[in-house]
Amino acid sequence: NFMLTQPHSVSESPGKTVNIFCTGSSGSIATNYVQWYQQRPGSAPTTVIYDDNQRPSGVPDRFSGSIDSSSNSASLTISGLKTEDEADYYCQSYDSSNLVVFGGGTKLTVL
Amino acid sequence: EVQLVESGGGLVQPGGSLRLSCAASGFTFNNYWMHWVRQTPGKGLVWVSRINGDGSDTSYADSGKGRFTISRDNAKNTVYLQMNSLRAEDTAVYYCARGPYWSPSDDWGQGTLVTVSS
Repeated sequence: NFMLTQPHSVSESPGKTVNIFCTGSSGSIATNYVQWYQQRPGSAPTTVIYDDNQRPSGVPDRFSGSIDSSSNSASLTISGLKTEDEADYYCQSYDSSNLVVFGGGTKLTVL
Repeated sequence: EVQLVESGGGLVQPGGSLRLSCAASGFTFNNYWMHWVRQTPGKGLVWVSRINGDGSDTSYADSGKGRFTISRDNAKNTVYLQMNSLRAEDTAVYYCARGPYWSPSDDWGQGTLVTVSS
C-alpha cells in the first residue's frame, strides 16, 4: 500500500525557515498532486498548499510547496516563522487507485 | 461563504449503526466531489470515502469498505455517511470536506464526534 512518511516533529525559532518533508513509499511522488494541511489544536484542518505548490487565497506567501523527484519527496517550506504557525501539518496525495492518502502528520513547534 | 456543517455523531454500541450528515451551503453543491475524513483523538487524519457530484461514483478506504456507505441528496445540499457494524476503532471525529476527487482540499467542516463503546 502506498504510504506517505513525515517526521513526527520539527522545531525552529521565530523568524527562521523550516522545511517539512513528506516521502512517498513507492512510485513517483511527482506523478500525483500533493496537498498540505495545517491543523491547530481543537480546530479542523485547513489547506495551506494544494496541487504541489498552489496557495489558497488568504494563505501568506511565507508558505510554499515543492516536489523533489530525486528523493521522491514533497516539502512544505515556511519562512519567517511566527508563533501562530505552531500546528500539526499533514501532507496528502493519492495512490495508484486514486484513493486519498494522508501522511502521519508533523508537529511544528515554534520556540 | 462556504459552510459545511456535520451532524449525527454520538455514542453507539459496538455493532451498531449511525448516519452522519453534512449540510453544505455557499457553493453549487452538485458540482463538487465531497469527502469524509476521520481523526481519532490525538492521532492523524485518515481518509474514509468520497462521492462525485451526481452520486454515481463512490470510493472507500479499506477500513470502511462493506460497512460504510456514502450518499448525497443534491436537493437538500447534504452528503451522508451511513456507518454499520461499528467497531471501537471507528471512534473518531468525522469531517466532511469539499474538493476534487484527489483531495479534500477546498473546505472542511468542524467535524462530528463518533464514539463506539459499550
